[in-house]
Amino acid sequence: AQSVTQLDSHVSVSEGTPVLLRCNYSSSYSPSLFWYVQHPNKGLQLLLKYTSAATLVKGINGFEAEFKKSETSFHLTKPSAHMSDAAEYFCVVSGLGTYKYIFGTGTRLKVLA
Amino acid sequence: EAQVTQNPRYLITVTGKKLTVTCSQNMNHEYMSWYRQDPGLGLRQIYYSMNVEVTDKGDVPEGYKVSRKEKRNFPLILESPSPNQTSLYFCASRNPLAESSYNEQFFGPGTRLTVL
Repeated sequence: AQSVTQLDSHVSVSEGTPVLLRCNYSSSYSPSLFWYVQHPNKGLQLLLKYTSAATLVKGINGFEAEFKKSETSFHLTKPSAHMSDAAEYFCVVSGLGTYKYIFGTGTRLKVLA
Repeated sequence: EAQVTQNPRYLITVTGKKLTVTCSQNMNHEYMSWYRQDPGLGLRQIYYSMNVEVTDKGDVPEGYKVSRKEKRNFPLILESPSPNQTSLYFCASRNPLAESSYNEQFFGPGTRLTVL
């Protein structure tokens, strides 16, 4: 069975400060992990994905995530928040041999000027 | 341009009036899926289709129907909509190399449905 938990429903940061969005997963299989972003009234955009080639994954717009198997985590980070980063972020787990995409409940990021 | 399209983007209807939300992709993807998004619940899968004429239930299939007569189209049908189906709906499709779950899904722009 697979599941994903986003530990914070809301995160607020000041512009220019680091961003940390936390995601823990559970998977019986070797997991595939993704982060998607959804800006207000927009669709879903892929930020990055873990493909097992490297544990540190770089995505678009300066975001990156580190896969930590021992901690079953895939936290999303960015060194310096920008106002345009304000959005909702979803962590997703899938797994080899399954077609299911399991979404976390989302983390809404607010960036303060 | 590779994309997933959905129509309509916005729909307000009344309880019991049948409706269809269309979904089309131009990427030759075998796998297509429908999700609904509700505040605090993330996206939940309604139905999915692994290829033409093969569909299966997701996590929240009650009150919905789908059909997959052609590879590119995957309409979502609400035979008798109810207010609890008010939601934001997303269609998605995925790379033909379905054995590799590393392939991401591509999402349509969403359909905001209100059932009065």
